[in-house]
Amino acid sequence: NAGVTQTPKFRILKIGQSMTLQCTQDMNHNYMYWYRQDPGMGLKLIYYSVGAGITDKGEVPNGYNVSRSTTEDFPLRLELAAPSQTSVYFCASSSGGQGDTGELFFGEGSRLTVL
Amino acid sequence: AQSVTQPDIHITVSEGASLELRCNYSYGATPYLFWYVQSPGQGLQLLLKYFSGDTLVQGIKGFEAEFKRSQSSFNLRKPSVHWSDAAEYFCAVGDTGGFKTIFGAGTRLFVKA
Repeated sequence: NAGVTQTPKFRILKIGQSMTLQCTQDMNHNYMYWYRQDPGMGLKLIYYSVGAGITDKGEVPNGYNVSRSTTEDFPLRLELAAPSQTSVYFCASSSGGQGDTGELFFGEGSRLTVL
Repeated sequence: AQSVTQPDIHITVSEGASLELRCNYSYGATPYLFWYVQSPGQGLQLLLKYFSGDTLVQGIKGFEAEFKRSQSSFNLRKPSVHWSDAAEYFCAVGDTGGFKTIFGAGTRLFVKA
């Protein structure tokens, strides 16, 4: 019963490097999300997707890109890493269909440090 | 503007004591209200949610919350805290479709023996 799986759990990047955070869910959820969590700031929505082939910006999208080629996968790409992107990143999903209760299901997080 | 305020950054309670975590919100329509818990190194897990009906809702791990429309509040309570309740708690407000969910800044709970 995996739920939402994120990889890697930890990563250190140098300024200007690129990387992709992977996220996959096995609950057949339509909606998927990427959040970042900074101390004392709660969670901020980076990007979201309401289905395969559909993505949209959240509150803090600058410096990130996403794609959604399948229902299961929603990778987050950082093209030119900056120290301001040091954060903990969470992938989440929700059913998004009829009966959607708004409940979000979270992965365990990916801690990214940019030096 | 839509917002969620958790006035307490951190709270310390003794094991066995009662707990109340405060949450106030600003939302244009009748909101869906949530409390999530985050244990160290983990993702967030839903404790409870309110959509409509009885304003006192029960959740997992012995938690409950009361929706008070007149005060725009949704405070979380537990009668007797256990050491394993030490975690960060997030209040959230939204609607169906999680992209509308707004999170508070969180309250970190410390439990002392």
